[in-house]
Amino acid sequence: DTGVSQNPRHKITKRGQNVTFRCDPISEHNRLYWYRQTLGQGPEFLTYFQNEAQLEKSRLLSDRFSAERPKGSFSTLEIQRTEQGDSAMYLCASSLERGQVGPEAFFGQGTRLTVV
Amino acid sequence: AQSVTQLDSHVSVSEGTPVLLRCNYSSSYSPSLFWYVQHPNKGLQLLLKYTSAATLVKGINGFEAEFKKSETSFHLTKPSAHMSDAAEYFCVVRDPFYKLSFGAGTTVTVRA
Repeated sequence: DTGVSQNPRHKITKRGQNVTFRCDPISEHNRLYWYRQTLGQGPEFLTYFQNEAQLEKSRLLSDRFSAERPKGSFSTLEIQRTEQGDSAMYLCASSLERGQVGPEAFFGQGTRLTVV
Repeated sequence: AQSVTQLDSHVSVSEGTPVLLRCNYSSSYSPSLFWYVQHPNKGLQLLLKYTSAATLVKGINGFEAEFKKSETSFHLTKPSAHMSDAAEYFCVVRDPFYKLSFGAGTTVTVRA
């Protein structure tokens, strides 16, 4: 399968614990995005990378959240001291940006986080 | 700034009848617009996209959408619904740089 891969698919954690999610984008894609989707809502932008550089972070991304993309390949999203409000589906997407108009973003199946 | 409003949170149709999902957008730029579908336990899949070429855009699985600048709309249609069309549909606007802004979604139910 050459699509966007996310692991784990599901994560249940106790409040206050740290969690880390991984995203493997489509191999030649230079852009990588993280979105969060809560029940009954559309996905909301969290952050994105151009190769290894993190170029934008949403105000939704508090100091407890950190994302990395070492070497411009896979990415990790870490949440420290999880809270119940962090419960959501975390989606990763990637795209190949070559200056064209409206490149397609390909999404992974997401990691569903439940904080108990 | 840009945003998307999906006018119906839930649409129910009978199998074989037309489907219409309504979307209005707001954008400071010439928009790129997309429709994505999300089936349970599956990732978001692109149905179609508008990027300033033809205003009537054809996508996968018989879906199409028409871009109307004067009405700031990008409604999604399909002439004949199939049971497999039951899913969540998202209208999305992208700014020239990177950011996708999603609507709240429309849940489609197809009755046999």
